[in-house]
Amino acid sequence: SQQGEEDPQALSIQEGENATMNCSYKTSINNLQWYRQNSGRGLVHLILIRSNEREKHSGRLRVTLDTSKKSSSLLITASRAADTASYFCATDEVYNQGGKLIFGQGTELSVKP
Amino acid sequence: DAGVIQSPRHEVTEMGQEVTLRCKPISGHDYLFWYRQTMMRGLELLIYFNNNVPIDDSGMPEDRFSAKMPNASFSTLKIQPSEPRDSAVYFCASSFDRGLGRETQYFGPGTRLLVL
Repeated sequence: SQQGEEDPQALSIQEGENATMNCSYKTSINNLQWYRQNSGRGLVHLILIRSNEREKHSGRLRVTLDTSKKSSSLLITASRAADTASYFCATDEVYNQGGKLIFGQGTELSVKP
Repeated sequence: DAGVIQSPRHEVTEMGQEVTLRCKPISGHDYLFWYRQTMMRGLELLIYFNNNVPIDDSGMPEDRFSAKMPNASFSTLKIQPSEPRDSAVYFCASSFDRGLGRETQYFGPGTRLLVL
């Protein structure tokens, strides 16, 4: 089952604005990851945040994790048209004995020039 | 490293034909995943392997689908016979377990399958 649920499903903003996407999950996790998918391409890993971390930065990306609320947010600052893509969160569940991540349904971001 | 390699990139076939998708994971990675992506169902995990052994195939839709990993550098996903509802983009991904939990997955470019 898909644990990560992204919100909103679609987001349209102007270039230069900030974009915020949220992810909620249901069980305890070891880490949470965000991926980007450009149209027609495979998913690309953006950032990983571990369960004992609250915030992480990478360039224009800022990820927060609130384990008490079982939620995470991805903030893209000063967005560019090239940021147009789908963004997925993926969780590494504590009680998952295997090696798989659980991916959400994704947020489709459109950045208009 | 060239990344995860998938072939073919595009496949058009007729209903009832056998389809074989191929994947070469990143060298040194011990996990390999097969996903299917459609507009209706999103990204679905079909099966994954650890050290060439299938661990979880609960996502394989039906007996028409089979996957093998004969060695650490090659895997196949076969559909026989194919049906129009199998049309989708199929992704292969690999990862390396550093003992810290499930880490980054590296995705291939995908195979876009169209079954007529």
